[in-house]
Amino acid sequence: GQNIDQPTEMTATEGAIVQINCTYQTSGFNGLFWYQQHAGEAPTFLSYNVLDGLEEKGRFSSFLSRSKGYSYLLLKELQMKDSASYLCAVRYDMRFGAGTRLTVKP
Amino acid sequence: NAGVTQTPKFRILKIGQSMTLQCAQDMNHNYMYWYRQDPGMGLKLIYYSVGAGITDKGEVPNGYNVSRSTTEDFPLRLELAAPSQTSVYFCASSFDRVETQYFGPGTRLLVL
Repeated sequence: GQNIDQPTEMTATEGAIVQINCTYQTSGFNGLFWYQQHAGEAPTFLSYNVLDGLEEKGRFSSFLSRSKGYSYLLLKELQMKDSASYLCAVRYDMRFGAGTRLTVKP
Repeated sequence: NAGVTQTPKFRILKIGQSMTLQCAQDMNHNYMYWYRQDPGMGLKLIYYSVGAGITDKGEVPNGYNVSRSTTEDFPLRLELAAPSQTSVYFCASSFDRVETQYFGPGTRLLVL
């Protein structure tokens, strides 16, 4: 099958680090994207991996293991404004996971 | 650049009515997409287009139609609206299949 799985919800504390996992099955692969979506808004691009390893962009990092069909998004120094849904997407299939709703608490 | 624009922002339809959701992009992107997002769910691909005159079905095409007569515009047509089509519809575009997608602000549709 062609599934993308993410945890439904996560909660973390302001200033902490949180890791959001994504596992996928796909018939082809040309990249995995992470998007952020605040409630009532459109998704916006966060990060992109096409090769194995870690990509760092400020407070956000994303990791990919193609052999394991696994990615994670790492958010450091959490801020209240990071409360949002985080969607992983397999580019080849143009499919999105259901999203992980992150709540950051003071 | 305006990016990706969508109209209307919100619409209420009666069962059996039809309507067209408009989408336009000014980034000269080849690829355009229509997704729907039900409450608490991810995005599901309805239709996509790789260029003017070329369209293809996505995961959930039933009840919808599209056309792509120009690079800029990609309207989504709903015929015989049903309550199951109540959702938020997002249009997106990308330069090609590997580049990031840029999303419009969405159209919230309620079918009663």
